[in-house]
Amino acid sequence: GNSVTQMEGPVTLSEEAFLTINCTYTATGYPSLFWYVQYPGEGLQLLLKATKADDKGSNKGFEATYRKETTSFHLEKGSVQVSDSAVYFCALQWMDSSYKLIFGSGTRLLVRP
Amino acid sequence: DTGVSQDPRHKITKRGQNVTFRCDPISEHNRLYWYRQTLGQGPEFLTYFQNEAQLEKSRLLSDRFSAERPKGSFSTLEIQRTEQGDSAMYLCASSFQGASETQYFGPGTRLLVL
Repeated sequence: GNSVTQMEGPVTLSEEAFLTINCTYTATGYPSLFWYVQYPGEGLQLLLKATKADDKGSNKGFEATYRKETTSFHLEKGSVQVSDSAVYFCALQWMDSSYKLIFGSGTRLLVRP
Repeated sequence: DTGVSQDPRHKITKRGQNVTFRCDPISEHNRLYWYRQTLGQGPEFLTYFQNEAQLEKSRLLSDRFSAERPKGSFSTLEIQRTEQGDSAMYLCASSFQGASETQYFGPGTRLLVL
């Protein structure tokens, strides 16, 4: 079936460090891929997305490239800030009539000053 | 554009009571989704509407759960005879069919069943 696997957290970094959060997926066909971010006590905010192979999604310094050959969509940022501390969810969009999202279990990021 | 809103934000109830949550999607969005998120996990799909029609329900949606979207605008999710295992964050999302299909989420309703 369709699934998303994310690296387990928490990931603890110092401010200005480089961030990578790994995400791999299993799916039939060619799903769209997303990263959402969740701050404490809040809902999910769309961070970035990619709809086809080799697309790069980017937003607020975060980037992720849709790699069909490795079925991956790793999230990267060159220099993290304390305000980036949150839980990050990778998701695939199942391309049937519902377009429902299938999420990974989330990766908590803690950035220390 | 005020985004997706949900009410209430928090609900504490006793086991066996009924609860109802409301979701107001982004006004021009015709698709509406409900997800459930338990502590430390990603959201899981419960059900979705296209306009007023409920087109898919997950196996997670037991007979105690019912959702409606009577006029194709706001939606309600009711849980009857709540159980402690229903404690979770209930998230609503909406999207516009035929565009990017990107889903935008509300702030969620956190339910605690005592």
